[in-house]
Amino acid sequence: EPEVTQTPSHQVTQMGQEVILRCVPISNHLYFYWYRQILGQKVEFLVSFYNNEISEKSEIFDDQFSVERPDGSNFTLKIRSTKLEDSAMYFCASSTPLGQGTGGAAKNIQYFGAGTRLSVL
Amino acid sequence: AQKITQTQPGMFVQEKEAVTLDCTYDTSDPSYGLFWYKQPSSGEMIFLIYQGSYDQQNATEGRYSLNFQKARKSANLVISASQLGDSAMYFCAMRVVNSGYALNFGKGTSLLVTP
Repeated sequence: EPEVTQTPSHQVTQMGQEVILRCVPISNHLYFYWYRQILGQKVEFLVSFYNNEISEKSEIFDDQFSVERPDGSNFTLKIRSTKLEDSAMYFCASSTPLGQGTGGAAKNIQYFGAGTRLSVL
Repeated sequence: AQKITQTQPGMFVQEKEAVTLDCTYDTSDPSYGLFWYKQPSSGEMIFLIYQGSYDQQNATEGRYSLNFQKARKSANLVISASQLGDSAMYFCAMRVVNSGYALNFGKGTSLLVTP
């Protein structure tokens, strides 16, 4: 069964360093997302990406964050200068285009990767 | 504003019993979708079940069913015949069509299935 793959599973970095989190979405999906989950808290949306551009982003996704689809398979999240509060689990997700399958316009099921645990020291 | 509320931080159920995990939501938009995800201790987020706001019937997927009460704005997950492997965090999430693709998650319910 196709799945979203994230690497690395755990990333440790020093405050102020740049990190790049990598994701390989499901191959026929066109929408890509990043979410984060601070330990013990709920999952929070960061950004969505479609047709090689950001389609929406949350208040969390400030200038320190950027996303890129450098080739046909990878989707990356870059944090330019990490802060202690960036420590969290980061999830990549992907979904099928609207209109496929049944269930109405809201049925855009996002499939998540296993996450990258980012620890900023 | 959209809001998802899961009022049960933790639940216990005995193996083979059924359990209901509560989820209420708040939106004024008529077109939305409700999703349940499972997060085992290993950390991954696993999609379980989806219910659209215009769906006439409650969604079912194997042992999972969704008790959708639109007037009450609730979308409770029912797990029948609980198994030890069902022990996990369960998150309810909503997507409002006119607000983009972002999923808005609740705080989750931790379910422990006991022998």
